[in-house]
Amino acid sequence: DSGVTQTPKHLITATGQRVTLRCSPRSGDLSVYWYQQSLDQGLQFLIQYYNGEERAKGNILERFSAQQFPDLHSELNLSSLELGDSALYFCASSATGTDPIADEQFFGPGTRLTVL
Amino acid sequence: AQKVTQAQTEISVVEKEDVTLDCVYETRDTTYYLFWYKQPPSGELVFLIRRNSFDEQNEISGRYSWNFQKSTSSFNFTITASQVVDSAVYFCALSTTGANSKLTFGKGITLSVRP
Repeated sequence: DSGVTQTPKHLITATGQRVTLRCSPRSGDLSVYWYQQSLDQGLQFLIQYYNGEERAKGNILERFSAQQFPDLHSELNLSSLELGDSALYFCASSATGTDPIADEQFFGPGTRLTVL
Repeated sequence: AQKVTQAQTEISVVEKEDVTLDCVYETRDTTYYLFWYKQPPSGELVFLIRRNSFDEQNEISGRYSWNFQKSTSSFNFTITASQVVDSAVYFCALSTTGANSKLTFGKGITLSVRP
């Protein structure tokens, strides 16, 4: 158990809908990262937050957004969903974020999103 | 831009065989970090190792060993005496430091260990 929690574990929804994925980092970790794992694209970095502020951005679509709250939990919002958004979405956290990638990232169990 | 190539997509071995998973990376940065993660059938990502670009010393941890060679931009992973529980997808990843650093993963290698 990495200490990172993600809810829900599974999510099934329809095209055009909007969903919110939630992540709670390990206790004391300030950085949260979101990744998408799909058959087509593999594991891709989406976005990183550090202590409430956006720190780095990857291949995140404009239909997707994220935020990190004062209690450090994070939410990833996916809107106008398409079939191709079906994927496993991972959240990870790391300690300081000062040199975030040098820190080990601890991954949550993932949320499997299925868009029908 | 940074890139990680795992040319092998699927490997199948019989239990107790040794197996090497290849990883080749590209980056223009002089300071970077290399990682291996394991994703078992249950789906979670498990950290295995992190190596920084200034430390080319090979590492051994039980049945696992890693060979980092900057001259060939490779960071290969060997499992000695493989076991069925080693069956998983293995990802190599690269990160650089700096303001917009991110973790870039390879496509992953599916390892099947048959009894």
